Amino acid sequence: EAGVTQFPSHSVIEKGQTVTLRCDPISGHDNLYWYRRVMGKEIKFLLHFVKESKQDESGMPNNRFLAERTGGTYSTLKVQPAELEDSGVYFCASSQGRLPYEQYFGPGTRLTVT
Amino acid sequence: AQKITQTQPGMFVQEKEAVTLDCTYDTSDPSYGLFWYKQPSSGEMIFLIYQGSYDQQNATEGRYSLNFQKARKSANLVISASQLGDSAMYFCAMITFKAAGNKLTFGGGTRVLVKP
Repeated sequence: EAGVTQFPSHSVIEKGQTVTLRCDPISGHDNLYWYRRVMGKEIKFLLHFVKESKQDESGMPNNRFLAERTGGTYSTLKVQPAELEDSGVYFCASSQGRLPYEQYFGPGTRLTVT
Repeated sequence: AQKITQTQPGMFVQEKEAVTLDCTYDTSDPSYGLFWYKQPSSGEMIFLIYQGSYDQQNATEGRYSLNFQKARKSANLVISASQLGDSAMYFCAMITFKAAGNKLTFGGGTRVLVKP
C-alpha cells in the first residue's frame, strides 16, 4: 500500500510568486491534514479536511494560503503571494478513523522563499 | 490551549546505551493522547509510540518505551540500546479528544546524535 505522497519535495521561489503544494493521501483515507514547520519553530497544524470539506482551518496563518481537496482525494495548498516567512517544511498527513495513531505523514515539501 | 515542551534541543548518546528524551505537556482536557515521532535526515515523520491518557500501563514498542507520569504531565521517551540509525530529530506531540478532529500539537523537537 502506497503511503502519503507529497509533491514537490523541494521548491524554491521568489517573494511574491505563487506556489502550489500537492498531497496524495493513502487511498481511502477520509481525513487529510496539513502541518508546517517554519525554521526554528514547532510543527504547527494548518487545517483538516474530512473528505472534501474543511473540518478545521483554525491554523491557516492568513488569506494568502488556500487549501482545496478535490473530490475528497488529493489536496493542494496554494500560497499566493509567497512571503519570506512562509519558508519551511509543509507536511501532509492522512487517517481513516478517529484513532489518533493512524495519522500517517508524508515526507514533506521543503519550501524556500527568497 | 494545548502545549508541548521539549527542553532538550540536542543530545549525544553512546551507541548501545539508553537515552531519555524529555517531554512535558499542558492541557485542560482530561482525555488526550501523547505521541512520539522520529524524523530522520530524509525528512519523513515516523510514528514511534502512542500513550492514551487513560491507559493504565506505559506504552512500549520494541526498543521504545514511554515513561508516562500523569500527575507530573510528563511523557518521556526512552530508547534502549541506541543504534546509529537512531540519530534523528524526535518530536513529542499531543492530541485532545474534546474537540472534533485529530489535530496534533507538537513540541520543538530534540535532535539525537548517536556516537559509535
